This record gives sequence, structure tokens and C-alpha cells, in this order.
Amino acid sequence: QKEVEQDPGPLSVPEGAIVSLNCTYSNSAFQYFMWYRQYSRKGPELLMYTYSSGNKEDGRFTAQVDKSSKYISLFIRDSQPSDSATYLCAMRTYSSASKIIFGSGTRLSIRP
Amino acid sequence: GAVVSQHPSWVICKSGTSVKIECRSLDFQATTMFWYRQFPKQSLMLMATSNEGSKATYEQGVEKDKFLINHASLTLSTLTVTSAHPEDSSFYICSTRSSLSSYNEQFFGPGTRLTVL
Repeated sequence: QKEVEQDPGPLSVPEGAIVSLNCTYSNSAFQYFMWYRQYSRKGPELLMYTYSSGNKEDGRFTAQVDKSSKYISLFIRDSQPSDSATYLCAMRTYSSASKIIFGSGTRLSIRP
Repeated sequence: GAVVSQHPSWVICKSGTSVKIECRSLDFQATTMFWYRQFPKQSLMLMATSNEGSKATYEQGVEKDKFLINHASLTLSTLTVTSAHPEDSSFYICSTRSSLSSYNEQFFGPGTRLTVL
């Protein structure tokens, strides 16, 4: 079993829709949770960074962490074609600042 | 966030040759840099942690004699793939960790696509 599971997609939605991306994990020691956006043939770009459980909002993006269920989500409101990319969830423990575990990524396509 | 560059952005080489990839931290001094490999439709896998002035720390299963890492300065780390083979074809990405960030988050370079013929 992988430490982090993420549906690879592809996920295709119309412009303006609300997008929900999710990951599950098995290691209860994970405390920091991240979402990265990766455009084709580019390096990942950090979108959201959350510590422990709860919600965090930044513009059209909302990250949710439910540690009891070992489940994290990223919501994108008013989705735009420019949001089309691969979204990677990632997480690490409190003590391991170096060892980030990534999900395999969900490919998202926003149709104009 | 921090600016990280990589060179080259893509490279094609013949089997058996060596390829060097550079990773530069452009706006701060990075004592630690990380090297990842990403196969198509797969997640990033940490290969090694590069420490300035000392030997790199390799993840389990990564051959240190094949993937040579040099971190000679606070702004430059290099990864050399020695005697490359087609199975080494992948997307190689470096990152730096900023001590200025409250979360010690990592910032990634744009990646280098290696194709070994």
C-alpha cells in the first residue's frame, strides 16, 4: 500500500465549475500537508500549505485536512482553463523537513 | 517564493555517456538541495539530499556511484548521471529548502528531461 494515494484522473470539468481533488494517506504521523500544481514539462509550484487539521483558503483555492479520516482535499472555485494542470498532494511529518511524500498527481482539464 | 533554475531543460544522449544537470538557487544561499526523479504519470521520488560541503545522502535503492551529486557552493548543486541507459530516461527535478520560510517549504526548479537513446 502506498503511503499516499491519489486518483490520477484525468478529470475534465467545464469552466466555472467547482473542482474537488482528494488524497488519502496511511501514516498518522503526517502533520504538514501541501498541494502543488505542475504544468506539463515544468517543476511543481506550491499552491497551499496546511499544518494539522482544518481548512485554509487562498483566493479560489481551499485546502481541507481531516486527520481522523486521513483525507485531504483541494477545492477550486470558479475554475478557469488556466487551472488545467496536474495537481500533486504532498505531506510530511513534523520532524522530517526533508522527506516529502508525494501523491502521483491528478490531471485536471478545464473545458472553455 | 525562492527562485530555482536548472540547466539544461532537456537533454538527449547516447547510452553509455554521462550527463550533468545543474541546479541553482538564484536568490538565497541553500545549504540543502534535493534531487527528485519523476517518471511519466508517476509521483516525484526523492533520490538524494545534497548538502553543501559534504557528501550527499541517498535514498534507499538509488545508486550513489551512478548518480553523482556535488554541492560545492551554496547556490549550485550538480547531478551527474554516469553511464546512462534508456531506463534512466526521466524528468529530474531539484528543489531547495528556504530557511526564510516559516514552514521550511521546498521550492522546485523547472526540471530537466533526460532521454537516453
